[in-house]
Amino acid sequence: GAVVSQHPSWVICKSGTSVKIECRSLDFQATTMFWYRQFPKQSLMLMATSNEGSKATYEQGVEKDKFLINHASLTLSTLTVTSAHPEDSSFYICSARARGGEGYGYTFGSGTRLTVV
Amino acid sequence: DQQVKQNSPSLSVQEGRISILNCDYTNSMFDYFLWYKKYPAEGPTFLISISSIKDKNEDGRFTVFLNKSAKHLSLHIVPSQPGDSAVYFCAASVTGTASKLTFGTGTRLQVTL
Repeated sequence: GAVVSQHPSWVICKSGTSVKIECRSLDFQATTMFWYRQFPKQSLMLMATSNEGSKATYEQGVEKDKFLINHASLTLSTLTVTSAHPEDSSFYICSARARGGEGYGYTFGSGTRLTVV
Repeated sequence: DQQVKQNSPSLSVQEGRISILNCDYTNSMFDYFLWYKKYPAEGPTFLISISSIKDKNEDGRFTVFLNKSAKHLSLHIVPSQPGDSAVYFCAASVTGTASKLTFGTGTRLQVTL
């Protein structure tokens, strides 16, 4: 089946530094990738949608200059949290959808636990 | 504005019995619904889905029911097994809008021996 590899699985960084999270589709081409964040005991909140080769579409309230998303190829999307602060500590999850129209083959990565100290 | 709601944060069911997880939505444009299972520190795993043109979909031990007039769906797991213990999220989508998913708040299911 489709597999999405996300890493790192966890990262601790100092306040003010930047952190990059990678999401790779291993056996399919992901035309669309979604980035979510989840606070403890809360729902998965969509942050942005990225299509290969074009700029990401951010959800209302998500700072695009803080959460940089790059989807340079059909198998790789990255989320960079710039100038991270403790309030950015969260669980970040990517999801990829394969090429082929309106199929609902969403595959999720295993998530990244970010802790900013 | 929580468009997809799971009003029960937790549920405990005895092994072998039926687990019923509920989900309500407010956006009448949603036409596709999915259920995901999630373990701590892992990404969600797809379980089952249903299109708005149906009112029931079954896959093994999992059955999803959709009541469009009530804007309500439910996931039935029978028989429940200890390995089913996890957090369950329902999600909804509007076909054609980049198919982004809107998730509910999740229900933690505990299946006891």
